[in-house]
Amino acid sequence: GIQVEQSPPDLILQEGANSTLRCNFSDSVNNLQWFHQNPWGQLINLFYIPSGTKQNGRLSATTVATERYSLLYISSSQTTDSGVYFCAVKSPSGTYKYIFGTGTRLKVLA
Amino acid sequence: GAVVSQHPSWVICKSGTSVKIECRSLDFQATTMFWYRQFPKQSLMLMATSNEGSKATYEQGVEKDKFLINHASLTLSTLTVTSAHPEDSSFYICSAEGTANTGELFFGEGSRLTVL
Repeated sequence: GIQVEQSPPDLILQEGANSTLRCNFSDSVNNLQWFHQNPWGQLINLFYIPSGTKQNGRLSATTVATERYSLLYISSSQTTDSGVYFCAVKSPSGTYKYIFGTGTRLKVLA
Repeated sequence: GAVVSQHPSWVICKSGTSVKIECRSLDFQATTMFWYRQFPKQSLMLMATSNEGSKATYEQGVEKDKFLINHASLTLSTLTVTSAHPEDSSFYICSAEGTANTGELFFGEGSRLTVL
């Protein structure tokens, strides 16, 4: 099945810093989403981005489907950005399910 | 966006008992819902795909007799952990794709199960 790897696995930032999180996938996909899991476990939808670039405030994402990767940019990080970031992909192979990446655990220090 | 609600958020039970977790789509109809399991500091692992009006499709290695899934209506799917044991303690999360066939996935709040 499709493999989804995220990097870096862990990241510590000082408040105000910028960062780039990466999601690599091993096969073609027709859907890709980025999520933020907060300390209580809730998964927050950040971007639905099977291709192209989107921006929402301090966050933006780019997916280059032909090269099998997606990037999540966080600018001017805040302590509330702490948590785990996951990408999830759906393959067009007909299995109709999302596979989650390995996650990036982010801690933003005040 | 679509709203998915999960209940209960926390449950503690004795070994050998069964626990039911409910997942509801509040403002849309979901013909398909997904159940995930997450161990501490790990990613989400898909357990099964719940299909309204038919049997669930389980992932390899997931015991269908242990994790009973019922999707009796377009807004409700339930996961029952039968004869729970301490190794079943985990964070269980349901999800559904929103309307308009965009394929965007929305998650419930999750249910943290502790089996004593």
